[in-house]
Amino acid sequence: DGGITQSPKYLFRKEGQNVTLSCEQNLNHDAMYWYRQDPGQGLRLIYYSQIVNDFQKGDIAEGYSVSREKKESFPLTVTSAQKNPTAFYLCASSSRGLGNTEAFFGQGTRLTVV
Amino acid sequence: DAKTTQPNSMESNEEEPVHLPCNHSTISGTDYIHWYRQLPSQGPEYVIHGLTSNVNNRMASLAIAEDRKSSTLILHRATLRDAAVYYCILRDDSNYQLIWGAGTKLIIKP
Repeated sequence: DGGITQSPKYLFRKEGQNVTLSCEQNLNHDAMYWYRQDPGQGLRLIYYSQIVNDFQKGDIAEGYSVSREKKESFPLTVTSAQKNPTAFYLCASSSRGLGNTEAFFGQGTRLTVV
Repeated sequence: DAKTTQPNSMESNEEEPVHLPCNHSTISGTDYIHWYRQLPSQGPEYVIHGLTSNVNNRMASLAIAEDRKSSTLILHRATLRDAAVYYCILRDDSNYQLIWGAGTKLIIKP
């Protein structure tokens, strides 16, 4: 089935460590996104990519990094510079014409700093 | 970026229609109105979207005001599985930096 897969579902990180969250899609979508969600809040955009080998910062990119070497994959690294990384992370993809197309979301990765 | 305003929560009885309102008074002519819903600890799920005309699909209907400054998501016959947080957002072809509000938490009473 076509869809978007995030892994792992739960992730625990020690302070000072970098961790990488995986996001893979087989929908042949050009655009991919990473969002962060805190309890009771909406989604905030971290990074987005419209095409392979290109990506742009969102509102809260500090402390995060991404790569887009393949169309299907858009991994997110949470670095030690991110001061409050505990959150629910969501990956999404869509066709490039944003307005008239739906976005598809993964099931999320819940990151906890221990 | 244009913003949307939704009530924090709403309650409805099972098997009754639900009308979820959204205000977007600063909407531009190229903004599509999208609705997503999110169950606890899951990613958002697309529900419906529209530009000017009312829209229907298997999940819901979207009623858009003539001046486009408000819209209403209609669930025709709510079930317990419709209990979720519903987000109304605006999207256009240049608006990657979407603003997601806190949404409306829909509570369905059996």
